[in-house]
Amino acid sequence: SQKIEQNSEALNIQEGKTATLTCNYTNYSPAYLQWYRQDPGRGPVFLLLIRENEKEKRKERLKVTFDTTLKQSLFHITASQPADSATYLCALVTLISNFGNEKLTFGTGTRLTIIP
Amino acid sequence: EAGVTQFPSHSVIEKGQTVTLRCDPISGHDNLYWYRRVMGKEIKFLLHFVKESKQDESGMPNNRFLAERTGGTYSTLKVQPAELEDSGVYFCASSQDGRPNTEAFFGQGTRLTVV
Repeated sequence: SQKIEQNSEALNIQEGKTATLTCNYTNYSPAYLQWYRQDPGRGPVFLLLIRENEKEKRKERLKVTFDTTLKQSLFHITASQPADSATYLCALVTLISNFGNEKLTFGTGTRLTIIP
Repeated sequence: EAGVTQFPSHSVIEKGQTVTLRCDPISGHDNLYWYRRVMGKEIKFLLHFVKESKQDESGMPNNRFLAERTGGTYSTLKVQPAELEDSGVYFCASSQDGRPNTEAFFGQGTRLTVV
């Protein structure tokens, strides 16, 4: 069966350290993988997108890797700050038609807390 | 520029009643999506509009759910009659061109509680 798993439900990291979140999937062949941030009572906010033929993508303190052999994406936040505390969601995009399939298939999310 | 707006933010209804959720996408976004998160589960796709047409409604749980997007602007999602298992947070998202590498913008969600 198809499954998307994010490494842990909750992760506590000391401020200033690098937070690493994991997204593993089975029985999918995603063309793209996206990472979102979600704060309590809010909708998900897009952070980064990485294509299947890309190994790594960076944006400021964020870095995403994508290994289609391992079926895994890692999401890193360097020099973490308390303001980075939120739930982080990975989402797969699989292409099933000429129109493209834009629907997102989400993981359950990891609640990250940065401890001052 | 206004983001994706959803109304109401919260709704508490009794089992068997009808509820209508509304989503106003970002102006100019032809693609509109509905998602739902039930307690303890991941966010799941419900359906996708391109303008006023339903592109993909494979995620709609059953025929108690009816989504419309008249005129290709705002969309409504009606649940009739509501059941207890319909409780959750309903998100709407929009994107400009719907390509898979396009960012989706989400609303804040409508928290639906069926009692």
